[in-house]
Amino acid sequence: EDQVTQSPEALRLQEGESSSLNCSYTVSGLRGLFWYRQDPGKGPEFLFTLYSAGEEKEKERLKATLTKKESFLHITAPKPEDSATYLCAAAGNTPLVFGKGTRLSVIA
Amino acid sequence: SAVISQKPSRDICQRGTSLTIQCQVDSQVTMMFWYRQQPGQSLTLIATANQGSEATYESGFVIDKFPISRPNLTFSTLTVSNMSPEDSSIYLCSVSTSTYEQYFGPGTRLTVT
Repeated sequence: EDQVTQSPEALRLQEGESSSLNCSYTVSGLRGLFWYRQDPGKGPEFLFTLYSAGEEKEKERLKATLTKKESFLHITAPKPEDSATYLCAAAGNTPLVFGKGTRLSVIA
Repeated sequence: SAVISQKPSRDICQRGTSLTIQCQVDSQVTMMFWYRQQPGQSLTLIATANQGSEATYESGFVIDKFPISRPNLTFSTLTVSNMSPEDSSIYLCSVSTSTYEQYFGPGTRLTVT
């Protein structure tokens, strides 16, 4: 059964304190690994797609990387506006499978 | 990416009634999806709605409970039928590009009393 597991469940950072979020996946025939940001009361906002191990994507303070078993979302020098839940999802031979997310709080 | 709107944004409904949620996209898309997100939980796919064919339901979801319409390439509806408090959730529609990426609407927050 395809699975996506995210850790930690919640992360509290001081402004400027860099860290990484983890996404472990077990998916048959990976076709893409996706990262989304979700603010309270809103739908997920698309951030990145990664297709193969070794691939990296960057957007402002965020950088996503992919290995054969995991993906990491690195947050460099975060700001309070980066506070949100970050969701990881994998597409394989079955429909998109989502993790439960990491709830990030950045304190000024 | 597509711009997606949903109506209503939230509703409070009585047990045993039905609610129809609308999803409108600003461009023509082949594949639309309906998800449920229960409090503190991940997104769970309910069904895939392709224009011109019957919706495909995931395990645990049935057409009698969640009928879906897809009359054209920019619109879809999801009905939550004979509601119970367990149906309280956020319902999200999404659309897919040809590269497996999905873009989500703002969601409909449903509370069943």
